[in-house]
Amino acid sequence: NAGVTQTPKFQVLKTGQSMTLQCAQDMNHEYMSWYRQDPGMGLRLIHYSVGAGITDQGEVPNGYNVSRSTTEDFPLRLLSAAPSQTSVYFCASSYRDSPADTQYFGPGTRLTVL
Amino acid sequence: AQSVTQPDIHITVSEGASLELRCNYSYGATPYLFWYVQSPGQGLQLLLKYFSGDTLVQGIKGFEAEFKRSQSSFNLRKPSVHWSDAAEYFCAVGARKSSGDKLTFGTGTRLAVRP
Repeated sequence: NAGVTQTPKFQVLKTGQSMTLQCAQDMNHEYMSWYRQDPGMGLRLIHYSVGAGITDQGEVPNGYNVSRSTTEDFPLRLLSAAPSQTSVYFCASSYRDSPADTQYFGPGTRLTVL
Repeated sequence: AQSVTQPDIHITVSEGASLELRCNYSYGATPYLFWYVQSPGQGLQLLLKYFSGDTLVQGIKGFEAEFKRSQSSFNLRKPSVHWSDAAEYFCAVGARKSSGDKLTFGTGTRLAVRP
């Protein structure tokens, strides 16, 4: 049982490049989400999914796309990277779509956009 | 919309001393409240959570938090800090939207522990 895994751990991009941050969980959780963490701003929700085939926007969705084709995987795509997207990205999952359920976080991906 | 304020950005305490991290929230209904800890280079780990009932909540690693509705606070406490408690601590409030739930996080308090 690996929990929530994220790849890569570190990434450097040039402005305009695209990439996909991978997130997977092996706990059969329905709810998955992506956050970005910036100094002095805490964690902000980018996108979330309440089940396979269902996604929705969070607080800061611009510049990011997501899809949820399986229960296990929830990739985050940066279509055209910008320096403002330099951040640490966390994927999280919980059993159900409810704040009553503990959210489990991955170890994060540190992204730098030059 | 809900919000969370953690007024202390950095706190330094001596090992063995008591600790209290402050958290104030704004939410129109009964809140769901959480404390998470983030060790350097790691993801977030849940310390404790409050939904209803007893206002004093016990968590892992010897932490506790008290919900005070009249003060809109959910402060985290530990009677005796260990060097391994040095980390960043986040308070969060959970709310139910029309579709999907989300957590709103505070900006965090970084705890340093003096030997």
